[in-house]
Amino acid sequence: EAGVAQSPRYKIIEKRQSVAFWCNPISGHATLYWYQQILGQGPKLLIQFQNNGVVDDSQLPKDRFSAERLKGVDSTLKIQPAKLEDSAVYLCASSLVSMNTEAFFGQGTRLTVV
Amino acid sequence: TQLLEQSPQFLSIQEGENLTVYCNSSSVFSSLQWYRQEPGEGPVLLVTVVTGGEVKKLKRLTFQFGDARKDSSLHITAAQPGDTGLYLCAGASGYALNFGKGTSLLVTP
Repeated sequence: EAGVAQSPRYKIIEKRQSVAFWCNPISGHATLYWYQQILGQGPKLLIQFQNNGVVDDSQLPKDRFSAERLKGVDSTLKIQPAKLEDSAVYLCASSLVSMNTEAFFGQGTRLTVV
Repeated sequence: TQLLEQSPQFLSIQEGENLTVYCNSSSVFSSLQWYRQEPGEGPVLLVTVVTGGEVKKLKRLTFQFGDARKDSSLHITAAQPGDTGLYLCAGASGYALNFGKGTSLLVTP
């Protein structure tokens, strides 16, 4: 079974530029999560989709971050404009359902903002 | 957002020693998951505990869920260098899965 795919693996941009990350979850997984992980810390939930609807985006900085999950499959996370403090690993995860089930993670995209 | 506090933040021990990692919250969770993350990789699930007071064993790892479903512990017996990594607890409540900041474990030969 193919895992969660993310691209790109690495991205370096200048502050105030925009950037987009892509995630393809495991086939059949209804729930998709985007997390931000700053070096040495645990993942922070940014947004959670159930199929193509948003169920939790309370920690998403909506003035600069946006995410969509068209057709309930692939998802993109965008940052515009980027700030230095956005430097982190952005992890995508998916699960069959949202309650008590395992979340499978991709390898993440490491973003460096200079 | 439910806050999960993990302790200790860092732990450096020698091979063969035992250790316990704690995950505490003031919130009640429907389940609590433990993940292990290695550098450059995403977290990988170790175990899910659902019932208050539940104890699960995975080889040398023992996981316990508190009676009130607010806290959990992970005990490793006779740690090995291969146990090195970031140990994360995650609480499930409603739709969300929120993580603690993790315990970074280093086991030296």
